[in-house]
Amino acid sequence: QVVLTQSPSASASLGASVKLTCTLSSGHSSYAIAWHQQQPDKGPRYLMKVNNYGYHNKADGIPDRFSGSSSGAERYLTISSLQSEDEADYYCQTWGTGIQVFGGGTKLTVL
Amino acid sequence: EVQLLDSGGGLVQPGGSLRLSCAASGFTFSNYAMTWVRQAPGKGLEWVSSINGSGGSTFYADSVKGRFTISRDNSKNTLYLQMNSLRAEDTAVYYCAKNEYISVAGSDYWGQGTLVTVSS
Repeated sequence: QVVLTQSPSASASLGASVKLTCTLSSGHSSYAIAWHQQQPDKGPRYLMKVNNYGYHNKADGIPDRFSGSSSGAERYLTISSLQSEDEADYYCQTWGTGIQVFGGGTKLTVL
Repeated sequence: EVQLLDSGGGLVQPGGSLRLSCAASGFTFSNYAMTWVRQAPGKGLEWVSSINGSGGSTFYADSVKGRFTISRDNSKNTLYLQMNSLRAEDTAVYYCAKNEYISVAGSDYWGQGTLVTVSS
């Protein structure tokens, strides 16, 4: 079964950029993933879908500061011009026949 | 505008039952698979169960298989999760989520969540 691996934490300064990584387990490098943001004390919000070609399908209303990319088994979420409201947990998600799998999440701190 | 309204959570004793509901609007409900995801206090997101658009195919995480039942009423645009034999480790906020396609895929909209607490 596919496993998604994320670093538990990341930090970057206000106005800077940060690149979060989600790694697919061996044998699953062709899988697409979705990125979700969860701000403190709120429910998750879908950001975008990233496939193995790097194409990302962004949700309506998501700022251009958020972008997705891909390399091999890694899927990335890049946030530029960091703002305080970007401080949140970020989860990647993938899916197989009937099932969904989530990564452990990355807690992003904006310094 | 897509809206998902989760309800039905509450405090229940171990071994008890609860039924969650998710009222959907703003899209053609029967055209999309739906999913329940939970989040235990201080923990990450955990997939619980999914159902395809017609309701004919259901899928469960091993942790809830045999205890939880997912269903949908496409005439009422509502998703359900019947939870039986509840355990302390089922304590979590439960979210319903719309999938991108009629078959199970990634989630693109989320409900606000409903809290289930299993405790004596």
